[in-house]
Amino acid sequence: DIQMTQSPSSVFASVGDRVTITCRASQGVNNFIAWFQHKPGIAPKSLIFATSKVQNGVPWRFSGTGSGTNFTLTITSLQPEDFATYYCQQYDTYPLTFGGGTKVEI
Amino acid sequence: QVHLVESGGGVVQPGRSLRLSCAASGFTFTAYGIHWVRQAPGKGLEWVTLISNDGSNKYFADSVKGRFTISRDNSKNTVSLQMDSLRVEDTAVYYCARAYCDGRKCFEPNAWGQGTPVTVSS
Repeated sequence: DIQMTQSPSSVFASVGDRVTITCRASQGVNNFIAWFQHKPGIAPKSLIFATSKVQNGVPWRFSGTGSGTNFTLTITSLQPEDFATYYCQQYDTYPLTFGGGTKVEI
Repeated sequence: QVHLVESGGGVVQPGRSLRLSCAASGFTFTAYGIHWVRQAPGKGLEWVTLISNDGSNKYFADSVKGRFTISRDNSKNTVSLQMDSLRVEDTAVYYCARAYCDGRKCFEPNAWGQGTPVTVSS
């Protein structure tokens, strides 16, 4: 199985900050990387697919980069509604696997 | 408007069965596969299974292989997840999510339901 190592596991930030979350895959995933935002008690929200493509309706401050086995989600100018847990996922090879999550806290 | 609604969750004893359903609306159901993803209490997201848009391909996490089965009824826009031999560690909120399939591959979840809780306890 492909292991997804996500870091940091948590980050403290303020409104307006730039936040960067990284995900490392244990092998190549052909850039089939997605990022999700999850808040307690509500449905996860899809943010990024294919490493860098933004889902419809997602604010411009969310961006994804990467290649090979190293991938990054960046939130430029953090907003109050962005405090949540973020997950990467590889969807290249079954079983699909998620990173462990990054909690973005105030 | 894309809408996915899970149902069927509840409390069940270890070793028993439960059947979850995912009802879809607002999109062309036959163009999309359906993932199930779960979140155990205090844990992260865990991918469980996918059924392709035409039902011809099914994939499972190692943790549920041989115990869970997935099926779909394209005439009713529903997907069912049959969970047998349930274990305490299957306790989680279960989410269904759609994924576009292009005939060769199904892609990432891009719209999610609100989830249904499953508790396995004696």
